[in-house]
Amino acid sequence: GDSVTQTEGLVTLTEGLPVMLNCTYQTIYSNPFLFWYVQHLNESPRLLLKSFTDNKRTEHQGFHATLHKSSSSFHLQKSSAQLSDSALYYCALSHYQLIWGSGTKLIIKP
Amino acid sequence: GALVYQYPRRTICKSGTSMRMECQAVGFQATSVAWYRQSPQKTFELIALSTVNSAIKYEQNFTQEKFPISHPNLSFSSMTVLNAYLEDRGLYLCGARSGSNERLFFGHGTKLSVL
Repeated sequence: GDSVTQTEGLVTLTEGLPVMLNCTYQTIYSNPFLFWYVQHLNESPRLLLKSFTDNKRTEHQGFHATLHKSSSSFHLQKSSAQLSDSALYYCALSHYQLIWGSGTKLIIKP
Repeated sequence: GALVYQYPRRTICKSGTSMRMECQAVGFQATSVAWYRQSPQKTFELIALSTVNSAIKYEQNFTQEKFPISHPNLSFSSMTVLNAYLEDRGLYLCGARSGSNERLFFGHGTKLSVL
């Protein structure tokens, strides 16, 4: 069946360093939609990025990701981490429903 | 803009009692509504997917008898947790969208505590 894999459960970084959160997926569909959701403490998840176009970079709020269908990946990146980026990040795959990854907790330290 | 209101935000119920949560979509037509539960370990579980004019599809380990869902129109959905016990604790989220590949709009969630 379809699945989304986020290999890191916890990522701890120092402020100012680059961020990369991994996301790979499996699906039988040739045109999936991929999403990154961010969930801050005591809040519900909100959409950060989405993409369905192969090899096209999508950006929002300093974060970017590129869907690579050849490697079934949609890694989330940011050039310089900020303290406010500390949150849970979920990668998700969509066709008729959302398939969630297990989430990556990102902690940014001063 | 598009919003989803979910209420109540928090609820505490006694073990064995039931509680109902509701979601209201504003600014778009919620043709499908997904109900999720986030466990204390922060993983998301899909409970069921409800699409207007189609049968509600429950995921494994979740049943209509335990989590009855109503989705009567394009702006409203409700879910009840019947006979709640400790293992039902968590944050329940409704996510609504207007098409199968549209973004999901989440409500704020209903945090369920069971005594």
